[in-house]
Amino acid sequence: DQQVKQNSPSLSVQEGRISILNCDYTNSMFDYFLWYKKYPAEGPTFLISISSIKDKNEDGRFTVFLNKSAKHLSLHIVPSQPGDSAVYFCAASGNSGNTPLVFGKGTRLSVIA
Amino acid sequence: KAGVTQTPRYLIKTRGQQVTLSCSPISGHRSVSWYQQTPGQGLQFLFEYFSETQRNKGNFPGRFSGRQFSNSRSEMNVSTLELGDSALYLCASSLWGTQGQPQHFGDGTRLSIL
Repeated sequence: DQQVKQNSPSLSVQEGRISILNCDYTNSMFDYFLWYKKYPAEGPTFLISISSIKDKNEDGRFTVFLNKSAKHLSLHIVPSQPGDSAVYFCAASGNSGNTPLVFGKGTRLSVIA
Repeated sequence: KAGVTQTPRYLIKTRGQQVTLSCSPISGHRSVSWYQQTPGQGLQFLFEYFSETQRNKGNFPGRFSGRQFSNSRSEMNVSTLELGDSALYLCASSLWGTQGQPQHFGDGTRLSIL
C-alpha cells in the first residue's frame, strides 16, 4: 500500500519554463510534507516543506502547494534551470508522535537548454 | 557546519557475510534515521534512533539492526547478507525527529552483494 505516490516517473521541461511535479497521498494523518532533490551519487537534499495548516509555501524559485481536500501537493519551479535536472522525491510525516517519513518513488526532471 | 557523514561510501560483500555501516549526524542533532533505496522503490524506512533508543522501526527482517551512541553517532548492521540487500543505504539526522522539521541526509553507502 503506497501512501505517497508520484505518478510521473519522468518529466522534461525547457529551460526558463515552469516545472510542475505532482504528489498524491492517501493517509489523512499526514500533516507535514517535504520535497527533496537528489543528484546521482549524492544523498537527497531538502528543498522545501509545508505544514498542513498552510496551502502554499514559497522559497525563491520553488513553491509548494497543498490541497488537503484532494490529498495532493505539487512543487513548482520557476524558471527551470539545467541545474535543476535531478530526481525529486515527495515525502510526508504524520501527526502522531515522531512517525517516520514516507517517501514517494520519485520523479526524474530533465531541464533542456 | 559539517553535514551528515556516512562511511564507507562503497562496500562489496558476498552472500552470508555481515556488514556494519556508520553515520555521524550533524552536530547537535539527536535523531538519526536509516533508509534503504533500491531502483524503482524509492526510500524505504529502516529505523530511527533518538538518545540511544530505537524509537521507530520499519518493515525489515531482524537481520537489519542498529544502535546509537551517546554522541549520537549511529551504526547499522546487516547479518547473513542476501543478494537482495544490494542497495544504497542512507542515513538522515534532525534535531528531534520528523515532526515539523526536515531530515538532512548523508551521501549514503552503496552496498553490493556478490
